[in-house]
Amino acid sequence: GQQLNQSPQSMFIQEGEDVSMNCTSSSIFNTWLWYKQDPGEGPVLLIALYKAGELTSNGRLTAQFGITRKDSFLNISASIPSDVGIYFCAGPKLSGTYKYIFGTGTRLKVLA
Amino acid sequence: GAVVSQHPSWVICKSGTSVKIECRSLDFQATTMFWYRQFPKQSLMLMATSNEGSKATYEQGVEKDKFLINHASLTLSTLTVTSAHPEDSSFYICSAIDRNQETQYFGPGTRLLVL
Repeated sequence: GQQLNQSPQSMFIQEGEDVSMNCTSSSIFNTWLWYKQDPGEGPVLLIALYKAGELTSNGRLTAQFGITRKDSFLNISASIPSDVGIYFCAGPKLSGTYKYIFGTGTRLKVLA
Repeated sequence: GAVVSQHPSWVICKSGTSVKIECRSLDFQATTMFWYRQFPKQSLMLMATSNEGSKATYEQGVEKDKFLINHASLTLSTLTVTSAHPEDSSFYICSAIDRNQETQYFGPGTRLLVL
């Protein structure tokens, strides 16, 4: 079945550093979404990507839709302590629906 | 922005009892809501799709008689965990679709602990 694998699983970085993480799929997706989940909370949408090759920014966050449509990347520039959390990629299980499959997650910890 | 609420935010129950979790869309109508389950340090797994006015559809491996879903109005879906067992302890998250904005909003989650 469809799987979304995220790398790295976890990372510790110093405040101010840039962060890169990626998400790969065994199948093609037409939509990629990036979410952040704080402890004990539901996920919050960061960036949505709808077109292969698309590069979209949201403040210090930048995400790209891979041209093969089997991967996506999320970068965070100049990290701050509140960037701590779990970052999930997600895509629709069925194209054109809101039934999402979520990636394995990347846990980010920022050291002040 | 749109808000989705869940009640309760956490619940502890005895094994064998049933627990009802509510998911509400506060400022939009949601004909479709989804229920996810998240075990500690794991990802969100889609359990079922809740459709207003019709039966829920369940993902493979999710027991419909175990997890009863009722979407009785355009702003409310409920998930009832029947005859709960300790292995049902998890974080349950709902989401609701605002079709006007073509956006899916997630609730804050309900943590269930079955003793």
